Amino acid sequence: DIQMTQSPSTLSASVGDRVTITCRASQNIIIWLAWYQQRPGKAPKLLIYKASTLESGVSSRFSGTGSETEFTLSISSLQPDDFATYYCQQYNSYPYTFGQGTKVEIK
Amino acid sequence: EVQVVESGGGLVKPGGSLRLSCAASGFTFSSYTMNWVRQAPGKGLEWVSSISGGGDYIYYTESVKGRFTISRDNAKSSLYLQMNSLRLDDTAIYYCARVHSGYSGFAPWGQGTLVTVSS
Repeated sequence: DIQMTQSPSTLSASVGDRVTITCRASQNIIIWLAWYQQRPGKAPKLLIYKASTLESGVSSRFSGTGSETEFTLSISSLQPDDFATYYCQQYNSYPYTFGQGTKVEIK
Repeated sequence: EVQVVESGGGLVKPGGSLRLSCAASGFTFSSYTMNWVRQAPGKGLEWVSSISGGGDYIYYTESVKGRFTISRDNAKSSLYLQMNSLRLDDTAIYYCARVHSGYSGFAPWGQGTLVTVSS
């Protein structure tokens, strides 16, 4: 199975900050990586797929980069709605696997 | 509006069974691979199972193989998860999610249905 490792697990930041979350895959997943945002008590929401393609309707403050085994999600200027937990997911091969999550907290 | 809505969760004893359903609307159901993803209380996301549009390709995470069965009824635009021999560690919110398009992650997701396995 492909292991997905996110860092950091928790990130404290202020409104307006630029933040970056890293996701590492244990094997080459090419570009088959998605990022999701999950607010408390809500279902996950797709933000980015194919490593860098922004989902329709998602703010351009979100961006994704990377390929093969190393990927990043950046938020250019944190807004109050962005404080949530973020997950990466590889869909290169079954079993699909998620990272353990990165909680973005208010500093 | 494209949406999926889960139902069927509840409280069940260890060793018991439960059948989850997911009703889809707003899209051509038979054209999309569908998935179940779960989230234990306070934990991260775990992919559980996928089924292709025609139902001919099915995949499971190792921990549910032989206990859970995914199926679909394209005429009813519905997805199912039959869960047998339930264990305490199957307790979770179970989400239904569509493959977004082509090879592109999962969207939309349903609101989830809570399965609690407890004696």
